[in-house]
Amino acid sequence: AQRVTQPEKLLSVFKGAPVELKCNYSYSGSPELFWYVQYSRQRLQLLLRHISRESIKGFTADLNKGETSFHLKKPFAQEEDSAMYYCALRGEYSGAGSYQLTFGKGTKLSVIP
Amino acid sequence: GAGVSQSPRYKVAKRGQDVALRCDPISGHVSLFWYQQALGQGPEFLTYFQNEAQLDKSGLPSDRFFAERPEGSVSTLKIQRTQQEDSAVYLCASSLTTTRNTIYFGEGSWLTVV
Repeated sequence: AQRVTQPEKLLSVFKGAPVELKCNYSYSGSPELFWYVQYSRQRLQLLLRHISRESIKGFTADLNKGETSFHLKKPFAQEEDSAMYYCALRGEYSGAGSYQLTFGKGTKLSVIP
Repeated sequence: GAGVSQSPRYKVAKRGQDVALRCDPISGHVSLFWYQQALGQGPEFLTYFQNEAQLDKSGLPSDRFFAERPEGSVSTLKIQRTQQEDSAVYLCASSLTTTRNTIYFGEGSWLTVV
């Protein structure tokens, strides 16, 4: 079974402070990890994926297989970063079955001006 | 359209009523997913289509839930005899193929059962 854990429901930081949103996963094979973001009144959208190893809007995330973690980080928080953040896992494609995402419960990031 | 489109955006149903939720995926997308998101929770997988074939319905919570995609494009999620615990946002998502493509989400259909 695959599982994603986001231990914090709410994270409040001051503008300009560093941000780290935690994500741990459980999966026996080689997963693909994602961060999705949902701004107020908008749809869920992809922020970044571990295989791209890119930085989007100043956010980065590194897959740590030893610790089974995929924490999201940003050195200096901005007010526009306030949103719901979901960590998600996609397992290895099995062929006939689906290739769906398993989500964590989400962390609400609030950036205080 | 440019993105995944869902309708209705909001639906209030009386307990016991049947509802139908529609999803228009991005044109040409082979894979289509339905998710259920209860208040304060992350999205949970319901079912998956590859073109018109429903390859995985392991997440459907009961036989009151039924989904179809008869022509491999538009999909409908039907909930029969709705109950209060069915109140949630129902998200549709699509991706280009079955391989490692980005999954794009719609805005969701907010269902409230009273």
